[in-house]
Amino acid sequence: DAGVIQSPRHEVTEMGQEVTLRCKPISGHDYLFWYRQTMMRGLELLIYFNNNVPIDDSGMPEDRFSAKMPNASFSTLKIQPSEPRDSAVYFCASSRHSGVETQYFGPGTRLLVL
Amino acid sequence: KQEVTQIPAALSVPEGENLVLNCSFTDSAIYNLQWFRQDPGKGLTSLLLIQSSQREQTSGRLNASLDKSSGRSTLYIAASQPGDSATYLCAVWGQGAQKLVFGQGTRLTINP
Repeated sequence: DAGVIQSPRHEVTEMGQEVTLRCKPISGHDYLFWYRQTMMRGLELLIYFNNNVPIDDSGMPEDRFSAKMPNASFSTLKIQPSEPRDSAVYFCASSRHSGVETQYFGPGTRLLVL
Repeated sequence: KQEVTQIPAALSVPEGENLVLNCSFTDSAIYNLQWFRQDPGKGLTSLLLIQSSQREQTSGRLNASLDKSSGRSTLYIAASQPGDSATYLCAVWGQGAQKLVFGQGTRLTINP
């Protein structure tokens, strides 16, 4: 299996622009997680899905952030409009049948908002 | 609210030494505790997962222990190698807020 795939790997944009991050989970995994990692706050869960349904979005910082999972093999995290404080590494992870099982992380998207 | 703390933030040791990384958590109502490794510019790789009913897990030169009642876990690395250099993160999946809560990590450097 190719593992969790994320695109793009790097994104540089200007404040106010829309940013869309993409994730393809491991085939057969029912859970998908979006995390954000910064030096100041460490690794934080933003939202997670079970069978394409959002379960917990309490970590989504504000209305500028939205996430969708239209099917079992694709998810997006969108920031609109982007701000410099959104600069971080965004990780997608998936697990097989339960949130308590091992999570497999993608390589991350490094986002810089100027 | 669950909080996870890792001490020290950074550790540098000579090759061949045995070492221990520490993790503490504030709420003992957990389903499991996981240790991850993160290499610079890369994603996280799961090393060990300890269920709340278990006391330890072993994988090769790695051994992780869990003392749920005291809110502590340790990751023991035997015969360290330069390739072990990475950041090690501890995370707990709580019974309350059901999600992984991560510590800030310990940045480990093994000197040849």
